[in-house]
Amino acid sequence: GEDVEQSLFLSVREGDSSVINCTYTDSSSTYLYWYKQEPGAGLQLLTYIFSNMDMKQDQRLTVLLNKKDKHLSLRIADTQTGDSAIYFCVVLEGDMRFGAGTRLTVKP
Amino acid sequence: GAVVSQHPSWVICKSGTSVKIECRSLDFQATTMFWYRQFPKQSLMLMATSNEGSKATYEQGVEKDKFLINHASLTLSTLTVTSAHPEDSSFYICSARWLKNEKLFFGSGTQLSVL
Repeated sequence: GEDVEQSLFLSVREGDSSVINCTYTDSSSTYLYWYKQEPGAGLQLLTYIFSNMDMKQDQRLTVLLNKKDKHLSLRIADTQTGDSAIYFCVVLEGDMRFGAGTRLTVKP
Repeated sequence: GAVVSQHPSWVICKSGTSVKIECRSLDFQATTMFWYRQFPKQSLMLMATSNEGSKATYEQGVEKDKFLINHASLTLSTLTVTSAHPEDSSFYICSARWLKNEKLFFGSGTQLSVL
């Protein structure tokens, strides 16, 4: 099975908060990342968290890490139409392991 | 953040020709570069890892003679798709990393279409 799992789709209304979830299997993960990919483009590093932290906030982005449950989430406050993209959860376990990506659609 | 430049952004070629894709780290020394392939609506599939001055390490199922990777300097890696066929059409993305630094930066991708 997949080492890093994400739900494939999320749809929210503009102005609402978005929460994208990710679970992983390897407890030795050191860094956990969220990347954003817009259509036809590469991946943009949004934020990342070290495994000894449980929360990191950066403007509209909040990352929560529950190491016991191996669960990572990305909350986007006041979601805008420009946030529509695919969001990849990536876990560093020696190698980089990618989730399948969550396609976020923001409706006006 | 650091910048990784990938060129070309898109390329159309005839079946049987070879195509070279360049990946450059503009403001840091990329000791390791990675090449991925991405099919529509799917995640990235790691093709190979290259360390500067060494031969690339290919993932299982990736033909090393088909996808030639060169990482001759700390700022440049190239992927050459040799004798391209329509099934090689895909989005190819590179990424670069400095030593064991925790940050991995991606190029903007290359859409390859083989006719």
